[in-house]
Amino acid sequence: DAKTTQPNSMESNEEEPVHLPCNHSTISGTDYIHWYRQLPSQGPEYVIHGLTSNVNNRMASLAIAEDRKSSTLILHRATLRDAAVYYCILSIRDDKIIFGKGTRLHILP
Amino acid sequence: NAGVTQTPKFRILKIGQSMTLQCAQDMNHNYMYWYRQDPGMGLKLIYYSVGAGITDKGEVPNGYNVSRSTTEDFPLRLELAAPSQTSVYFCASSPTGMNTEAFFGQGTRLTVV
Repeated sequence: DAKTTQPNSMESNEEEPVHLPCNHSTISGTDYIHWYRQLPSQGPEYVIHGLTSNVNNRMASLAIAEDRKSSTLILHRATLRDAAVYYCILSIRDDKIIFGKGTRLHILP
Repeated sequence: NAGVTQTPKFRILKIGQSMTLQCAQDMNHNYMYWYRQDPGMGLKLIYYSVGAGITDKGEVPNGYNVSRSTTEDFPLRLELAAPSQTSVYFCASSPTGMNTEAFFGQGTRLTVV
């Protein structure tokens, strides 16, 4: 199974953009890149996903490298409510959604 | 606007007891998943289902059983509870799996003593 590598933790100041990196050097051509986040004491929630092109939605943007071996989740203006664990996940051909360890994002007021 | 509903929210079991964690979704999703999350760790996939009558093992299936007799429900059965099964359990559903958004329940916190 293709794996992802993320930093264990990151810090950012409130109201500034945040760039969360993810490496996935063994990604296959049909793997989608998904991002989920988990707020304290809650279940994970979907953030964004994409295949090859950059994607934008109301929560975030996803920038995918041309060779697809890495991607970056961009939160345009972090708030204290964005403090969470962010998971970068590759969807696998047999439909399993496998989570890695994620990046714990701390937002400084 | 229920989404994915898990019951109970909390449960304490004694070693060797059995229980069923309930999961129901009202979005007519074909795919459903069970995960466990140990303290300070990421989620581990236990079992998943791609439709009624079809289930398959995930990363950590030992000690658990599932069934999927309807689209809406995906119960997780613990037959002989062990302390190692102390965890928070999350159920999730998605329309078609790979390329769509998955929706998670709020979790069941299980303690085995």
